[in-house]
Amino acid sequence: GAVVSQHPSWVICKSGTSVKIECRSLDFQATTMFWYRQFPKQSLMLMATSNEGSKATYEQGVEKDKFLINHASLTLSTLTVTSAHPEDSSFYICSARDPRQGIDNSPLHFGNGTRLTVT
Amino acid sequence: GNSVTQMEGPVTLSEEAFLTINCTYTATGYPSLFWYVQYPGEGLQLLLKATKADDKGSNKGFEATYRKETTSFHLEKGSVQVSDSAVYFCALTLGGSEKLVFGKGTKLTVNP
Repeated sequence: GAVVSQHPSWVICKSGTSVKIECRSLDFQATTMFWYRQFPKQSLMLMATSNEGSKATYEQGVEKDKFLINHASLTLSTLTVTSAHPEDSSFYICSARDPRQGIDNSPLHFGNGTRLTVT
Repeated sequence: GNSVTQMEGPVTLSEEAFLTINCTYTATGYPSLFWYVQYPGEGLQLLLKATKADDKGSNKGFEATYRKETTSFHLEKGSVQVSDSAVYFCALTLGGSEKLVFGKGTKLTVNP
């Protein structure tokens, strides 16, 4: 079945550095991918919608200059956390829908998530 | 705004016990409702869904009924197994949107 792969599964970085997270659809093409963020004991919050070949759509309150999203191909979207700070430490999850299943019937397929720790 | 409220976890049960995880929602309109499950080390997977009032979603022995009058979508299973240990998320979408609004998740541990 459809699989969404996320890499890395965890990363530790120093404050001020940038970190890139990849999200790949392994056996389908996704024109749209979604990036979520989850704080401990809180809901997954949608950060942005990644659109292949065009600019991402960010949710209110999400800094687009801090969370750079690139969706350069139909199978890859990347999220770069720029100049990371400890408050950016969180669990980041991507998802995509397999268009072959039709929008009404197809569930979102989620990656396994990336645990980011900024020291 | 639109929101989902789930019962606080964690929930610990013995095998074959009855499970209920409460979920209520607030929405401007008529949402579609979902339960997602995240097994240890894996991504979220759709468990079941309901798209209109009084619909019942079911899968793997789990059930949830869309109750418009109480704005609820409680998850139930008659007899849980150790393999059901996971985190369960209630979620909604509105108006055909692909944007999911999630609850905080409820961690379930089933002991043999």
